[in-house]
Amino acid sequence: DSGVTQTPKHLITATGQRVTLRCSPRSGDLSVYWYQQSLDQGLQFLIQYYNGEERAKGNILERFSAQQFPDLHSELNLSSLELGDSALYFCASSVGGGGTYNEQFFGPGTRLTVL
Amino acid sequence: LAKTTQPISMDSYEGQEVNITCSHNNIATNDYITWYQQFPSQGPRFIIQGYKTKVTNEVASLFIPADRKSSTLSLPRVSLSDTAVYYCLVGSPRGSARQLTFGSGTQLTVLP
Repeated sequence: DSGVTQTPKHLITATGQRVTLRCSPRSGDLSVYWYQQSLDQGLQFLIQYYNGEERAKGNILERFSAQQFPDLHSELNLSSLELGDSALYFCASSVGGGGTYNEQFFGPGTRLTVL
Repeated sequence: LAKTTQPISMDSYEGQEVNITCSHNNIATNDYITWYQQFPSQGPRFIIQGYKTKVTNEVASLFIPADRKSSTLSLPRVSLSDTAVYYCLVGSPRGSARQLTFGSGTQLTVLP
């Protein structure tokens, strides 16, 4: 158990819909990262928040947005969903803000299926 | 931005030592090398991190030659449960997460 929690575990929805994925980081961690992992694209970094502020952006679509709240939990919002958005979405957390160096602790993931 | 190259897949047998090499020719002075392990449908898990020479912990060793252009993750006496994807990452303490590239990793399959 990494200490990072994600809800829901599974999500099934239809094209065009909007969903929200939730992540609670490990106690004491200030950074939250979001990743997308689909079968044909590997693990793709989407976005990082550090202590409530956006720190780095990766390959995140404009239809996707995220935020980190004062209690440090984070939400990833996916809108106008397409079939290709079906994937595993992971959240990770770390103590520091250096994304390429700090050890990241990953949550169990949310499996999103868009029908 | 240091790009990494790893073998796509490797097979081994239980009880053998496995060495997975990662190439990072343009590694920067302040960059560290980090390895993660991922089981199917689970998030990656940190294995080991190093800067130079050799680092060892309870699960693996990391060998880094003097020029630091490559690194080798060594797993002693693997078991079936070591079957997973292994990722090599390179980055510095001040590096941005924009540089986060897990890539395709190396699929290690341990055979009985």
